[in-house]
Amino acid sequence: NAGVTQTPKFQVLKTGQSMTLQCAQDMNHEYMSWYRQDPGMGLRLIHYSVGAGITDQGEVPNGYNVSRSTTEDFPLRLLSAAPSQTSVYFCASSSGTGSPQFFGPGTRLTVL
Amino acid sequence: QKEVEQDPGPLSVPEGAIVSLNCTYSNSAFQYFMWYRQYSRKGPELLMYTYSSGNKEDGRFTAQVDKSSKYISLFIRDSQPSDSATYLCAPKGTGANSKLTFGKGITLSVRP
Repeated sequence: NAGVTQTPKFQVLKTGQSMTLQCAQDMNHEYMSWYRQDPGMGLRLIHYSVGAGITDQGEVPNGYNVSRSTTEDFPLRLLSAAPSQTSVYFCASSSGTGSPQFFGPGTRLTVL
Repeated sequence: QKEVEQDPGPLSVPEGAIVSLNCTYSNSAFQYFMWYRQYSRKGPELLMYTYSSGNKEDGRFTAQVDKSSKYISLFIRDSQPSDSATYLCAPKGTGANSKLTFGKGITLSVRP
């Protein structure tokens, strides 16, 4: 079991560029989510999904898109990167409402 | 008032000390309580997971929940330098769309 995997580990973008952060899990978890972590702000929820084909916004969704076409994958898209999106991004998954979330290793993104 | 407040840090203790990490929360709907440990430049790792009030022990770690006072604690006995990390409390409700709410984390340093 690889658990939750994320690619890339590091990325540098220029303002206005787009990119997709990949997240995959091999635990057959229905619930997946994306967080960003900034100094002094803690972990903030960007988007989440309760199953394939179902997504919803979290606390800080602006500037990000998601889709969930399979149970395993939950990519996060930045349509037009901004310096304010410089952060560490974590993907997490869980098997259900009462189950704990398991996190991936993170993607460190810098937008210049 | 923020939904989850965590004692500000950082905290530095000598090896072998008993450590007490604390959070308070405001949402009485929270029923699941998690503690995550995060090493520098790594993803959060689930450390303890409890449901409702009471204590749960796992080796040197004890999680305690007092729902009447909305107070969550994590105790570390015989602390080790390898316990040096950031600790995040994360309570959650029971609804299908209920989400983890993270404290900002407290950074613990255990001095050899």
